[in-house]
Amino acid sequence: DAGVTQSPTHLIKTRGQQVTLRCSPKSGHDTVSWYQQALGQGPQFIFQYYEEEERQRGNFPDRFSGHQFPNYSSELNVNALLLGDSALYLCASSASPGAEAFFGQGTRLTVV
Amino acid sequence: AQKITQTQPGMFVQEKEAVTLDCTYDTSDPSYGLFWYKQPSSGEMIFLIYQGSYDQQNATEGRYSLNFQKARKSANLVISASQLGDSAMYFCAMRVTYQLIWGAGTKLIIKP
Repeated sequence: DAGVTQSPTHLIKTRGQQVTLRCSPKSGHDTVSWYQQALGQGPQFIFQYYEEEERQRGNFPDRFSGHQFPNYSSELNVNALLLGDSALYLCASSASPGAEAFFGQGTRLTVV
Repeated sequence: AQKITQTQPGMFVQEKEAVTLDCTYDTSDPSYGLFWYKQPSSGEMIFLIYQGSYDQQNATEGRYSLNFQKARKSANLVISASQLGDSAMYFCAMRVTYQLIWGAGTKLIIKP
């Protein structure tokens, strides 16, 4: 049984560019949450998707957007990248919006 | 404000000793969940243990136990008989509605 998978694992982008990160949830899970973890800090909640809709959003600008597909996989899009967007982006899936979250290995984004 | 505080940035512990990692939380919501995760250098968040706000007994999972003191708003993680493989970052997190709020983490290093 595959767990949560994220792609790519590492990514280098230039300031001002756009990036798309992908996440496939654990089998049987229909809820996907995204977190940003800056170096040396705890993760920060970006948003959660359930039934293809954004259910809850953290304190992130509109440059951060997402999508959930009918197969429950999800994408995180970040526009107009800033140096401060460099971080580990973690995807978590759960069987329902309030259930235990299982995390992927993350995508390490570096903005230069 | 909803907040998680981990006051130990780093800890060194001798192998086979028990270790307690501190976590205090702040929320006015009567229903919440408390989690501990382990994050090795690879980046993946590994779930260790969960305590619900209405649970009467402290949670245990193998070598991990959670010392839940509701009146003091603390949820300390106890690792018994530490092993070299326990060296990692440890994060305390609180679930309120659908998001996880995280502490800054404690870096635990087990000495042989």
